[in-house]
Amino acid sequence: AQTVTQSQPEMSVQEAETVTLSCTYDTSENNYYLFWYKQPPSRQMILVIRQEAYKQQNATENRFSVNFQKAAKSFSLKISDSQLGDTAMYFCAFMKSNTGTASKLTFGTGTRLQVTL
Amino acid sequence: NAGVTQTPKFQVLKTGQSMTLQCAQDMNHEYMSWYRQDPGMGLRLIHYSVGAGITDQGEVPNGYNVSRSTTEDFPLRLLSAAPSQTSVYFCASRGAGTYNEQFFGPGTRLTVL
Repeated sequence: AQTVTQSQPEMSVQEAETVTLSCTYDTSENNYYLFWYKQPPSRQMILVIRQEAYKQQNATENRFSVNFQKAAKSFSLKISDSQLGDTAMYFCAFMKSNTGTASKLTFGTGTRLQVTL
Repeated sequence: NAGVTQTPKFQVLKTGQSMTLQCAQDMNHEYMSWYRQDPGMGLRLIHYSVGAGITDQGEVPNGYNVSRSTTEDFPLRLLSAAPSQTSVYFCASRGAGTYNEQFFGPGTRLTVL
């Protein structure tokens, strides 16, 4: 079974600064996908960024980027130029690449990020 | 295109009552799932379906039933509600292709007294 660990329950960052959220995972699989989801106070789950395990290049989406270290089983999220709208709960998630287990996302416990003025 | 819809948004039940949480998607997605979100525990998979007529258990299936008679709908049934089932429930769907994005519904907040 897979496990996902987010060791930072809460973090705070000032507007325009950079913040990094940590995520580690444990799996015996070689092919898998990793995701970061954002959950604002509206409760809606929003996909922020995703990474395929077989790709060495780190994924980027505008101000969001990841540092994927496969050997260390680490998948951190960096938010640059933080904005007030980034205030939310952030979840790291894991999914096997086997289509027979499609939709089986394993989530971490989340990191609550507060962006301040 | 409404995406993934869930009804109701809020519900209060008494212990022992039954109810069905509705989930529908209009994207012709094969894969649908139900998750529950509890404070400090992230989202956990309850049941999932890889197509009409095919369902399987997730991490926390006890106390819940599902069926998938159509591609569009994936209802979650609580046969005899318990206070431990107080939670926020999310339905999600995903199209074929292992890298496709999983779309989540807006969630249902359920309280069992």
